Amino acid sequence: EVQLVESGGGLVQPGGSLRLSCAASGLTFTSYAMSWVRQAPGKGLEWVSSISGGGDNTFYPDSVKGRFTISRDNSKNTLFLQMNSLRAEDTAVYFCAKLQRSFDWFYFDYWGQGTLVTVSS
Amino acid sequence: DIQMTQSPSTLSASVGDRVTITCRASQSISSWLAWYQQKPGKAPKLLIYRASNLESGVPSRFSGSGSGTDFTLTISSLQPDDFATYYCQQYNSYYTFGQGTKLEIK
Repeated sequence: EVQLVESGGGLVQPGGSLRLSCAASGLTFTSYAMSWVRQAPGKGLEWVSSISGGGDNTFYPDSVKGRFTISRDNSKNTLFLQMNSLRAEDTAVYFCAKLQRSFDWFYFDYWGQGTLVTVSS
Repeated sequence: DIQMTQSPSTLSASVGDRVTITCRASQSISSWLAWYQQKPGKAPKLLIYRASNLESGVPSRFSGSGSGTDFTLTISSLQPDDFATYYCQQYNSYYTFGQGTKLEIK
């Protein structure tokens, strides 16, 4: 059974940094692209970043580009999200999600339980 | 960017009802659409992928249809466990989600 367990969330001041981790089990980790998706309190879902199975290719929406960095350690089956220059609007639950390939397109098929990031002074 | 619009935002229904949620994309996304169910404090759960394909383990009362810009999620006979928030999501060009439809008990 695929399991994704996030950690590293917490309270951080505006302009600060935080690093999230996602430990994966029950899958051949290097075979799958992975993503981070966030959900602000009481709001909908927003894609934050994706990374290819080998870690060579990364993707971001404009809202976090240049501030967030996704990476992975395939030897430890772990996904990371380095978040810098944090803003109040980055406050959200951050979910780690596995991407499943369908032809040349990918959708999220497994999700972790999420970790809360609060940006506030 | 592709925008996804769901309707209604809130839906009140009773156990046993047949309900339909619609999702419209701002441009054609072929069939690259997924539907998720989310309960409070929990992660989203995949229900449908590629517009109409039922994820393994998901009850057959859930079905999806559509292509291009217009899509629907139908629950044929509501069960108590189905009251939740539902999101559509396009994966034709990166990923965007609809704003969600909260399915409430009438």
